[in-house]
Amino acid sequence: KAGVTQTPRYLIKTRGQQVTLSCSPISGHRSVSWYQQTPGQGLQFLFEYFSETQRNKGNFPGRFSGRQFSNSRSEMNVSTLELGDSALYLCASSFRTDLNSPLHFGNGTRLTVT
Amino acid sequence: QQQVKQSPQSLIVQKGGISIINCAYENTAFDYFPWYQQFPGKGPALLIAIRPDVSEKKEGRFTISFNKSAKQFSLHIMDSQPGDSATYFCAASITQGGKLIFGQGTELSVKP
Repeated sequence: KAGVTQTPRYLIKTRGQQVTLSCSPISGHRSVSWYQQTPGQGLQFLFEYFSETQRNKGNFPGRFSGRQFSNSRSEMNVSTLELGDSALYLCASSFRTDLNSPLHFGNGTRLTVT
Repeated sequence: QQQVKQSPQSLIVQKGGISIINCAYENTAFDYFPWYQQFPGKGPALLIAIRPDVSEKKEGRFTISFNKSAKQFSLHIMDSQPGDSATYFCAASITQGGKLIFGQGTELSVKP
């Protein structure tokens, strides 16, 4: 079974631009979560989608948004990029949003903002 | 109250030794406590998880100990191997939520 696939693996953007990251969950998984990983702040929850609906949202500014499609694939968008947005963005999927469905993470998209 | 505090930040252990990583939390609503292992260039991978109704869970060389009254839990890696060298994260979440609160991570190095 293929794991969580995130594209692209690396991105370099300029401050002020916007970026879209893509995540394909494990086949059959309907829940997708996004996390930001930085050396200073560690792993921080961005948002979670289940059946195309946002179920939970972390404490990030409105510049960070996401969506989920009917095939469970998800995208996250960051507008008006800032230098501090440089991070590893991780997508995780699970079959459903309960304790019996552990999160499976992809290998992330490394975003560098210059 | 949403924080999970993890220690130590880094740990060096000799091959065959026991690696111990500790975490503490404040929010008593947390009821799912997983540990993740992350290798460079990879995403975190679930290692083992525990719920507060048990005090210990063992899977192979990995054991979680849970102290509900102290609001602490720890990961013990027995017979540590160089292949265990990675960053370990504890986490916590509330039932029915996909939101995991992660500790800051522990970089483990197992020396041959």
